Amino acid sequence: DTAVSQTPKYLVTQMGNDKSIKCEQNLGHDTMYWYKQDSKKFLKIMFSYNNKELIINETVPNRFSPKSPDKAHLNLHINSLELGDSAVYFCASSLLALREGRNEQFFGPGTRLTVL
Amino acid sequence: AQRVTQPEKLLSVFKGAPVELKCNYSYSGSPELFWYVQYSRQRLQLLLRHISRESIKGFTADLNKGETSFHLKKPFAQEEDSAMYYCALEYGNKLVFGAGTILRVKS
Repeated sequence: DTAVSQTPKYLVTQMGNDKSIKCEQNLGHDTMYWYKQDSKKFLKIMFSYNNKELIINETVPNRFSPKSPDKAHLNLHINSLELGDSAVYFCASSLLALREGRNEQFFGPGTRLTVL
Repeated sequence: AQRVTQPEKLLSVFKGAPVELKCNYSYSGSPELFWYVQYSRQRLQLLLRHISRESIKGFTADLNKGETSFHLKKPFAQEEDSAMYYCALEYGNKLVFGAGTILRVKS
């Protein structure tokens, strides 16, 4: 019955590698998000998709590429991983794009990425 | 620029004591504000939203536009309130989060 799920939960990899994190939601939501939580627990949005279309693209290196094959999935692919990419990445979804404080975001459990 | 400030990284109180987690925002429009909470080994979840004017688990938060604040309050802290609390501002289809405050309630 998990609402928003992410795989893998932990990811340890070498610098320079390419890796993907997957996210799926079974809530029937239209909008999905990727957040990065750094070592100081600061949470910052990276991307948002609404009905498979990119609506938010924050200042994120081109090495990060989100892909949304359908409304229920939003994957994050990272090329040429760097040490600074080490963080916890959270996926989230909401029924509609955020508007007027009416829509709640539901978060996944997070993926802890460690780049060595 | 839109910004959310939570000045305290850690707030430690005794059980039964009042709690106030501070949140200040910077936003030129009409703000929509939220408090999200992450309990140990659980995912981040919505605690309350400004628009609902609700009390959840004994917590309330009042928007003070003059002071640009949205502090989270509870009159009597309980041990199960120990968690990480994030204040968030809705801006242009996204949430801008504060840095978070760890609340530790000691017995």
